[in-house]
Amino acid sequence: ETGVTQSPTHLIKTRGQQVTLRCSSQSGHNTVSWYQQALGQGPQFIFQYYREEENGRGNFPPRFSGLQFPNYSSELNVNALELDDSALYLCASSLGGIYADTQYFGPGTRLTVL
Amino acid sequence: AQSVTQLGSHVSVSEGALVLLRCNYSSSVPPYLFWYVQYPNQGLQLLLKYTTGATLVKGINGFEAEFKKSETSFHLTKPSAHMSDAAEYFCVPSNFGNEKLTFGTGTRLTIIP
Repeated sequence: ETGVTQSPTHLIKTRGQQVTLRCSSQSGHNTVSWYQQALGQGPQFIFQYYREEENGRGNFPPRFSGLQFPNYSSELNVNALELDDSALYLCASSLGGIYADTQYFGPGTRLTVL
Repeated sequence: AQSVTQLGSHVSVSEGALVLLRCNYSSSVPPYLFWYVQYPNQGLQLLLKYTTGATLVKGINGFEAEFKKSETSFHLTKPSAHMSDAAEYFCVPSNFGNEKLTFGTGTRLTIIP
């Protein structure tokens, strides 16, 4: 069984640029959730995708967007990067629907915005 | 709304000593309670979870937690601390595990050699 993977591991961007982060779900999972973790804080929910549809969103501006693909992998896109977007971005996969269960996290992508 | 309180943002224990990380939940009991651990510069790993049934839950790496309804607590314990236990620990409530998780700031565990 393959766990949750994320790419890239680290990323450095400058203010105003755009970034795409990727997440591969654990085998058999159909739901992906994205979280932002600023230094010294707990993760904050960005949004969730279930079977390719957005299924809930946290308090993040529209420049944070996502996609989920038919194989249930996912992307997080952030436009017009700001310095405060520097954080660890975590994705978590889980089984949704009537068999909803635990979220399993990937290792994260560390984004630095200069 | 469901919520948890982790008592102590920083906890230090000596290697070999008992680890006790406290978590109290609000009176609106969530069906699920999780403990996640985050090692330095890594993602989150599920330590253990309580859903229904047995109130004593055993997790990975020798950790366990007991759901005590009378005390509204779900404290995490390990009989003997190891240096590798140094990490951030999060107690997280959930309705059914799959919806958005609300994390607090966690408890940072330091192990003293």
